[in-house]
Amino acid sequence: DGGITQSPKYLFRKEGQNVTLSCEQNLNHDAMYWYRQDPGQGLRLIYYSQIVNDFQKGDIAEGYSVSREKKESFPLTVTSAQKNPTAFYLCASSAGTLYGYTFGSGTRLTVV
Amino acid sequence: GQQLNQSPQSMFIQEGEDVSMNCTSSSIFNTWLWYKQEPGEGPVLLIALYKAGELTSNGRLTAQFGITRKDSFLNISASIPSDVGIYFCAGQNKGSARQLTFGSGTQLTVLP
Repeated sequence: DGGITQSPKYLFRKEGQNVTLSCEQNLNHDAMYWYRQDPGQGLRLIYYSQIVNDFQKGDIAEGYSVSREKKESFPLTVTSAQKNPTAFYLCASSAGTLYGYTFGSGTRLTVV
Repeated sequence: GQQLNQSPQSMFIQEGEDVSMNCTSSSIFNTWLWYKQEPGEGPVLLIALYKAGELTSNGRLTAQFGITRKDSFLNISASIPSDVGIYFCAGQNKGSARQLTFGSGTQLTVLP
């Protein structure tokens, strides 16, 4: 079955360390997205990519970095420059048509 | 980035009651979508609306695409405990690089 997989589900890191969140899709979707979700808040766009080897900053890109070397993969690195990295991170993909996004099941990052 | 105005922010209802929530925007959209997010998971698409005035049902869920293309509502009839979650509206325009614009979510709690 096609889908989008985020790993790991839970991640703990010490303050000051970089950490990379994985996002893989086998839906053959061109576009991929990373969102951050804090308790009681909506979805805030971090980065998005419409095509391999190209990506754009979203609304809260500071302290994050991404790469898009393969169509299937869009990893997100949370760097030590991110002031409040503890959050729920969601990856999504889209075929680029008017059918919305398919979301992964999320990664909960806790920085201690 | 632009956010849709989604209301109410939260709802506490008795099992069996009907629920209504809505989204409004200052901009028009070609597509309106409604997602449900259960705790610790990614959002899942419930209903997609493609034409102004369209009324679409999915089981106990009914959604409408506003005639002005600037609003949409979602109704849930005869609520049950598994309806608990966060409901997000989203607007989408073809050709928009960032594609979806999300509402801030409605947290639904169903009391037995």
